[in-house]
Amino acid sequence: EPEVTQTPSHQVTQMGQEVILRCVPISNHLYFYWYRQILGQKVEFLVSFYNNEISEKSEIFDDQFSVERPDGSNFTLKIRSTKLEDSAMYFCAGGTFTGELFFGEGSRLTVL
Amino acid sequence: AQSVTQPDIHITVSEGASLELRCNYSYGATPYLFWYVQSPGQGLQLLLKYFSGDTLVQGIKGFEAEFKRSQSSFNLRKPSVHWSDAAEYFCAVGAKQAGTALIFGKGTTLSVSS
Repeated sequence: EPEVTQTPSHQVTQMGQEVILRCVPISNHLYFYWYRQILGQKVEFLVSFYNNEISEKSEIFDDQFSVERPDGSNFTLKIRSTKLEDSAMYFCAGGTFTGELFFGEGSRLTVL
Repeated sequence: AQSVTQPDIHITVSEGASLELRCNYSYGATPYLFWYVQSPGQGLQLLLKYFSGDTLVQGIKGFEAEFKRSQSSFNLRKPSVHWSDAAEYFCAVGAKQAGTALIFGKGTTLSVSS
């Protein structure tokens, strides 16, 4: 069964460093998403991406964040200058027009 | 404001007993409703979804949920819980239009006692 794969599974970084989280969505998906889950809190929407542009973003998704799909398969989330409060589990998801999302297993980011 | 409320943070159920996890939502448009399950260290797995039609929906692993528009609820049920059902359960609501955000509840942690 096809699945969404995310790398790395865990990344530890120093505050102020740039981080890139990568995702390979299911091949027939058209919409791509990033969500995050701070430890002990709920899953929060960051951004959705369709047709090579952002279709919706939350207020969390500020100028420190960016997304791109550079090669038609990978979907990346970049955090330009990490802060302590960026420590979280980041989930990539994909879907079609139905609104149903398929999530990856997440990338845990720890900012020291 | 759009929101999802899961009133129970943690529930413990005996193996073989029935389960009901509560979910209430506030959403301006026609809601699409979902239940996801997250096992420790794992991603979010879709249990079931409601888009339209029959308000009682069946999902994987023997779960079902009932949409009650008048109560703005979408409670998850299972008649007989197994130890492997211990996990965190998230209710979510979204719009029909793809690309829009899913709003998640804070989750309910289910423990299963023997």
